[in-house]
Amino acid sequence: QKEVEQDPGPLSVPEGAIVSLNCTYSNSAFQYFMWYRQYSRKGPELLMYTYSSGNKEDGRFTAQVDKSSKYISLFIRDSQPSDSATYLCAMSGGSQGNLIFGKGTKLSVKP
Amino acid sequence: GAGVSQSPSNKVTEKGKDVELRCDPISGHTALYWYRQSLGQGLEFLIYFQGNSAPDKSGLPSDRFSAERTGGSVSTLTIQRTQQEDSAVYLCASSLLSGRGGETQYFGPGTRLLVL
Repeated sequence: QKEVEQDPGPLSVPEGAIVSLNCTYSNSAFQYFMWYRQYSRKGPELLMYTYSSGNKEDGRFTAQVDKSSKYISLFIRDSQPSDSATYLCAMSGGSQGNLIFGKGTKLSVKP
Repeated sequence: GAGVSQSPSNKVTEKGKDVELRCDPISGHTALYWYRQSLGQGLEFLIYFQGNSAPDKSGLPSDRFSAERTGGSVSTLTIQRTQQEDSAVYLCASSLLSGRGGETQYFGPGTRLLVL
């Protein structure tokens, strides 16, 4: 079992839909949880950052972490064609500097 | 300000040749990371540098891979005797402080390596 599991999709939704992206993980030491967005042929860019359990909202984006279930989610409200990208979950814990990534979910928002 | 830059953006090489990939981190960032992104595999950690400390090489897949960071700034990832399975996008990231868990890592655009 990989440390971080993420459904690679692809996921296709109509403009305006609510998108739900998820990752599960196995390492209980993870404390820092991130979502990166990666456009085609670009490097990943940080979208959301959450420490430990709880919710965080930023505009149309909401990140949720449930450490008891080892499950994290990213919700995108009122999705736009410009949201079409690959979304990568990433996490780390303690003194570990490097991030452990999911494989990424490719999202397409159709006008 | 300038972000993380990487060069070359694309590299095509023949099997068995050596390649060098360069990363310029954000100025003032003390931690630098190399990752590899293969089709269908996600991002895999390779190596990270923190200031003048010995690098964490735990992610390097074989002894054909090495990296150095000169003067606490620019880093070079070297792959010797390249193999076709080395074909991937090599991404560099930097973070401001200690490199400990939780710091935001800023990624460069990557170098796309194709080994024929």
